[in-house]
Amino acid sequence: GAGVSQTPSNKVTEKGKYVELRCDPISGHTALYWYRQSLGQGPEFLIYFQGTGAADDSGLPNDRFFAVRPEGSVSTLKIQRTERGDSAVYLCASSAQGAGYGYTFGSGTRLTVV
Amino acid sequence: AQSVSQHNHHVILSEAASLELGCNYSYGGTVNLFWYVQYPGQHLQLLLKYFSGDPLVKGIKGFEAEFIKSKFSFNLRKPSVQWSDTAEYFCAVNAWVTGGGNKLTFGTGTQLKVEL
Repeated sequence: GAGVSQTPSNKVTEKGKYVELRCDPISGHTALYWYRQSLGQGPEFLIYFQGTGAADDSGLPNDRFFAVRPEGSVSTLKIQRTERGDSAVYLCASSAQGAGYGYTFGSGTRLTVV
Repeated sequence: AQSVSQHNHHVILSEAASLELGCNYSYGGTVNLFWYVQYPGQHLQLLLKYFSGDPLVKGIKGFEAEFIKSKFSFNLRKPSVQWSDTAEYFCAVNAWVTGGGNKLTFGTGTQLKVEL
């Protein structure tokens, strides 16, 4: 597609529930990134995919968070047993050349855990 | 690990005023530097970037930034702001270190409001 697409744009869930957030990167972009942006903060790195594999998952806060990219295009960020502290905007970005050249961001998914 | 500091969290200017937003980073090696902008209700967009060469980088919409290696700084400037520049501005760094070369580290952002 023309840009990075994220769905849903908004998600409200109850504490303890499981959620999935989807990212559809720009066609042909091999690098895909997930970031989390809390209110008043800049985006924080979560995980980076190069193709199908997670090349760097050092930003995932704990084992409740997991992400996949099975076919090297669409990625899903999965959060188990959600907590109120998980409320944030989850951003996806993709790049043809890697972080050193900049990314194209999606509009994000605003997750609210009540 | 690298870090990025943006000194001004909120800036209010009148139209036609000059703008300078500060950005400092902590890593001493080779870096790529970026400014991103987020207009109200929109996604993050790349404003400008520095890789190498001329330390004065020009971006879109009349913005420019100067990389001063000795000061670990990459300040954003615009000689005359417009109301449409109202947005949040983020500085980011990509540090070329083992295991760290594939992610951006962002500052906390500066909210700019331009008044008519």
